[in-house]
Amino acid sequence: DTEVTQTPKHLVMGMTNKKSLKCEQHMGHRAMYWYKQKAKKPPELMFVYSYEKLSINESVPSRFSPECPNSSLLNLHLHALQPEDSALYLCASSQHVILGTEAFFGQGTRLTVV
Amino acid sequence: GNSVTQMEGPVTLSEEAFLTINCTYTATGYPSLFWYVQYPGEGLQLLLKATKADDKGSNKGFEATYRKETTSFHLEKGSVQVSDSAVYFCALIRETSGSRLTFGEGTQLTVNP
Repeated sequence: DTEVTQTPKHLVMGMTNKKSLKCEQHMGHRAMYWYKQKAKKPPELMFVYSYEKLSINESVPSRFSPECPNSSLLNLHLHALQPEDSALYLCASSQHVILGTEAFFGQGTRLTVV
Repeated sequence: GNSVTQMEGPVTLSEEAFLTINCTYTATGYPSLFWYVQYPGEGLQLLLKATKADDKGSNKGFEATYRKETTSFHLEKGSVQVSDSAVYFCALIRETSGSRLTFGEGTQLTVNP
């Protein structure tokens, strides 16, 4: 099983809403990631969790709040987003946060902020 | 810093044509190199990887060889199919950058029947 599962697949939210994106993997990976991808661009790293602890925050605005409840789950809580935050949000996991360890990506959540 | 440069797209080919997508990188040390593919409306899938010089990664008829002397990792396929239409991303992880994937800008491939 090399699957990373993200829910929901699509999400439309208003600028005053609070919503959460969910990600799950059962590969025993200890590193999990959130990426943001705008149209026709490569993914941009947002957050990295290593052994359930936040290890990298790429200066992401506080309206994005990550959470790693356990080694299989990763959430991204959204609050007071802006229309420019509309994008594809990708979750990924890898065995460890070390060299040469390939990342496996989920199908993404297509987020639209209205 | 690290960077990955891919050939500009879009690339349009006829079915059964030969495919090359060029990728060169800048990084000190010995990065690991990857090709990811993104089909329309989907996430990224790892296509192949190489972790040291002269390694050849291969999968689904695609190949790429890690060339340290030319800092390149070009993607090739001998005979493309319509189902190969997608965006292809070259990427690297540097030994001291932990988990940070550095991506190229992506190359859109369209294969016509």
